[in-house]
Amino acid sequence: DVKVTQSSRYLVKRTGEKVFLECVQDMDHENMFWYRQDPGLGLRLIYFSYDVKMKEKGDIPEGYSVSREKKERFSLILESASTNQTSMYLCATLTGTYSYEQYFGPGTRLTVT
Amino acid sequence: AQSVTQLGSHVSVSEGALVLLRCNYSSSVPPYLFWYVQYPNQGLQLLLKYTSAATLVKGINGFEAEFKKSETSFHLTKPSAHMSDAAEYFCAVSANNNDMRFGAGTRLTVKP
Repeated sequence: DVKVTQSSRYLVKRTGEKVFLECVQDMDHENMFWYRQDPGLGLRLIYFSYDVKMKEKGDIPEGYSVSREKKERFSLILESASTNQTSMYLCATLTGTYSYEQYFGPGTRLTVT
Repeated sequence: AQSVTQLGSHVSVSEGALVLLRCNYSSSVPPYLFWYVQYPNQGLQLLLKYTSAATLVKGINGFEAEFKKSETSFHLTKPSAHMSDAAEYFCAVSANNNDMRFGAGTRLTVKP
């Protein structure tokens, strides 16, 4: 079974803090993704990575950065958290080349106060 | 460019009734289409996917969806709703490995 784990299920941070969200997968998948999910908006892509140290911006990268130093780990960084970044954050991996199917982690619900 | 529209942000059915969740897509190339389910405070779980083989796709938990190219639709159905089907459902379209577009979601409520 593909396993995608995220470091925290719930997280509360203060405005201006630097926040790290970690995602780890154990299936040697090349492509990894970070989304945020907001009511009525579905999932929106923040960043994705197709290899170690390789990253591409998604639709809403502003205020975020990412790091992929090892194949199994993809980190999302909020450089200076703001209240409008309160959201559910979901990590996903691509299950195989040409499958187009993504496998999701359990999500991190982040609240910025 | 590709996109998905889910018709109805909330759908309510009685237990044992037909479930019908609507999804229309737009894609400039032959699409792969997906339905995912999300239970409260969890990630998304794949229900089923269309990858240009059979147009009627069967998934987990008794769900199925039919790809209709002429209508650009991929509606999700289940003949008889169960209380455990209460969740949020997302339709998604993808035309390459790094670009999956999701609908806004439909919350399904099942009444006893």
